[in-house]
Amino acid sequence: SAVISQKPSRDICQRGTSLTIQCQVDSQVTMMFWYRQQPGQSLTLIATANQGSEATYESGFVIDKFPISRPNLTFSTLTVSNMSPEDSSIYLCSGRQGYSEQFFGPGTRLTVL
Amino acid sequence: SQKIEQNSEALNIQEGKTATLTCNYTNYSPAYLQWYRQDPGRGPVFLLLIRENEKEKRKERLKVTFDTTLKQSLFHITASQPADSATYLCALGRGAGSYQLTFGKGTKLSVIP
Repeated sequence: SAVISQKPSRDICQRGTSLTIQCQVDSQVTMMFWYRQQPGQSLTLIATANQGSEATYESGFVIDKFPISRPNLTFSTLTVSNMSPEDSSIYLCSGRQGYSEQFFGPGTRLTVL
Repeated sequence: SQKIEQNSEALNIQEGKTATLTCNYTNYSPAYLQWYRQDPGRGPVFLLLIRENEKEKRKERLKVTFDTTLKQSLFHITASQPADSATYLCALGRGAGSYQLTFGKGTKLSVIP
């Protein structure tokens, strides 16, 4: 199994600013993903973080708003840019090896004022 | 459009009884289906994976079935305990060769002592 940590665990930010969330996995994983979960809602996939290349974004999410880096097999960052109150959500990092189970971080709770 | 529905937002059950949660999907041909448990303030934790060519999987008190004709999965917890109280999410693998998961909204299970 893999253990995933995220920093920060929570933050309160002002409109128009940006926040970078860090995700660290304690072992190498093939795939890393970023999700968003709004209260009472399901997890929505933002993008697949690809090592050494540009992330693959889902419909409705764009690189300018959610730039993602993945410099190696155990680390990724997600930046939420030019934030608005609608970006208030929990952001979850996830890792996976093959078609087996997917591991999730504890999430970053973001509030935008 | 593709849709995943979990039978109810909340389910209350008496301790010792069997809890049955339902996941229905439309306009999907998933290669596999997974069930996760999510506790408040935490990321989802993997429970079981079942592939499209499997009818049933078991793990301790958990059992999952997968009916690709009915487009439905059932998740059972036998001899339920208050510690089983959590939100349970079903997630579908989008198709052959796809690592991306699409999640349902979840069912919040409460096991009453």
